Amino acid sequence: GAVVSQHPSWVICKSGTSVKIECRSLDFQATTMFWYRQFPKQSLMLMATSNEGSKATYEQGVEKDKFLINHASLTLSTLTVTSAHPEDSSFYICSAWQGIHFFGPGTRLTVL
Amino acid sequence: KNQVEQSPQSLIILEGKNCTLQCNYTVSPFSNLRWYKQDTGRGPVSLTIMTFSENTKSNGRYTATLDADTKQSSLHITASQLSDSASYICVVTRSNYGGSQGNLIFGKGTKLSVKP
Repeated sequence: GAVVSQHPSWVICKSGTSVKIECRSLDFQATTMFWYRQFPKQSLMLMATSNEGSKATYEQGVEKDKFLINHASLTLSTLTVTSAHPEDSSFYICSAWQGIHFFGPGTRLTVL
Repeated sequence: KNQVEQSPQSLIILEGKNCTLQCNYTVSPFSNLRWYKQDTGRGPVSLTIMTFSENTKSNGRYTATLDADTKQSSLHITASQLSDSASYICVVTRSNYGGSQGNLIFGKGTKLSVKP
């Protein structure tokens, strides 16, 4: 099946810094990718839809200026958490659409 | 309100035993339902996908059922193995709105622990 990778797999940063997470579709082109956040014992929550060559679509309640999304190519979308705070600590997962959603392995972000 | 409810929240079984996980949904309009397996600290991996007209679908030791009338689905795991320990997530897709494929409604998952 299709493979989606994320980098890094985990990151620890200080409060106030910015963190960039990459999501790549390794063997197919994805015009649409999705970013999710998952808190412990909770379901995945869609944050935004990333469209190649255009602006991302954010879900209600997600700050677009805080979670910057760039879908620069058909195989790469990036999520940048700007001025991260401890409450942003979470598990961030991306998915790429090719008939069905193929999910990345996730990135564990811990903000100290 | 579009919701996906799963039960039980957690389940412990002995290796080799069977188990059944439940999923009830109130998502409309319905497109399809998928069961995913999510290992701790990993992204979800698709197990089965079922559309409105499908009642049963199997994938190895996993068998999913769907009753579109009662809006219920189940995932049956046969002869459980230690590696089956994971969260199992029921995900319902709403029919496309304007071509978006992002309209997924996630359940909170059932955490399955298989003990030796």
